[in-house]
Amino acid sequence: DIVMTQSPLSLPVTPGEPASISCRSSHSLLHSIGYSYLDWYLQKPGQSPRLLIYLGSNRASGVPDRFSGSGSGTYFTLNISRVEAEDVGVYYCMQALQTPLTFGPGTKVDI
Amino acid sequence: QVQLHQWGAGLLKPSETLSLTCAVYGGSFSDYFWTWIRQPPGKGLEWLGEINHRGTTNYSPSLKSRLTMSIDSSKTQFSLNLTSVTAADTAVYYCARGRRGTVVRGFDPWGQGTLVIVSS
Repeated sequence: DIVMTQSPLSLPVTPGEPASISCRSSHSLLHSIGYSYLDWYLQKPGQSPRLLIYLGSNRASGVPDRFSGSGSGTYFTLNISRVEAEDVGVYYCMQALQTPLTFGPGTKVDI
Repeated sequence: QVQLHQWGAGLLKPSETLSLTCAVYGGSFSDYFWTWIRQPPGKGLEWLGEINHRGTTNYSPSLKSRLTMSIDSSKTQFSLNLTSVTAADTAVYYCARGRRGTVVRGFDPWGQGTLVIVSS
């Protein structure tokens, strides 16, 4: 199985300031079509997870443009340009390259 | 707008079978793989498997011997059965829309989640 790790596991943030979360995979997530099969999800307290980013850097529908994803191969980053209070929750990266699909342990973001 | 609504028994005894169903409202049902994911209380997310309208399945190897997914395209519903449950199967179970054939675009949307507790 592909193992996903994230850092930090806890991230205090300040509204208006940028924030960044890293994700590493034990195996390259670069697909032959040229995309990295890496997604980012946000789970707000008491809610189902929500897709933020797919294929490493593509924002899902309705996701604010303050969220951006970057990286390739085995190292990825989720950036929030200016944190808002509604961004608190747990952020998960997930590899979609091979089954079983696997998630990182999550990064808890709070103010 | 696609919406997923799920239901099933929330309290089971050890050795019983967990059964959940997820209904899909709106959008195309036959184009996608439909997925189950679970989350033990206070823990992270675990992918369980996926199924498409043809009944093609992919299961997590760790659960494959106990897991069965099925689909009813006429009702735009898909289901999960997990046999011989133990306390380790206690979790919130989510259904979600997955890949469109070979095109991967993440899991979106998700169902509301169903808390399943296994306790004697």
